[in-house]
Amino acid sequence: AQKVTQAQTEISVVEKEDVTLDCVYETRDTTYYLFWYKQPPSGELVFLIRRNSFDEQNEISGRYSWNFQKSTSSFNFTITASQVVDSAVYFCALSEANTGFQKLVFGTGTRLLVSP
Amino acid sequence: SQTIHQWPATLVQPVGSPLSLECTVEGTSNPNLYWYRQAAGRGLQLLFYSVGIGQISSEVPQNLSASRPQDRQFILSSKKLLLSDSGFYLCAWSVALGVGDTQYFGPGTRLTVL
Repeated sequence: AQKVTQAQTEISVVEKEDVTLDCVYETRDTTYYLFWYKQPPSGELVFLIRRNSFDEQNEISGRYSWNFQKSTSSFNFTITASQVVDSAVYFCALSEANTGFQKLVFGTGTRLLVSP
Repeated sequence: SQTIHQWPATLVQPVGSPLSLECTVEGTSNPNLYWYRQAAGRGLQLLFYSVGIGQISSEVPQNLSASRPQDRQFILSSKKLLLSDSGFYLCAWSVALGVGDTQYFGPGTRLTVL
């Protein structure tokens, strides 16, 4: 069965520090998709990135970057020069590709606290 | 552009009372729709999904039910709430590609059952 593990429950950093959020997944599918979502204090989940299993290129979007490594089944998320507005809970998720519809399996989330 | 609405934003209900949460999507047709629950300090659990009007699949047996009376409307209901129904309820939609769809979430409803 698919599983997503976010071992870091909470991370605290000071503004301008770099921080990496870990995500390790388990799946037997050869085709799968990975996602990151941000949940600010307001509660709404904000989509950040989607990556398919055939694309191992790292991606950078502004201060955000993602490192996808199939060899270690990891999809880690790095925030460079963190800001207070980055404070949120971040969820990693994995799609199940064998059910005919899109089902996401979420990790338990990592709470990031960025202090000024 | 697509938007998703949920109401109410917050709700406090007594045990044993009925529940109706509504979710509507604008700017897209025939979306897949989802209901998730997030218990305090925990991850998200998929409750129901729908691939079309009147088509509902339940992921977890529970005290809740869902309905999709219109293409872009998804309703979560209960006849009698339990304390354990408290949580943050999120509705989501995706383009019906089948695999790898990105799900976009609404603002959520925070339900407290007393």
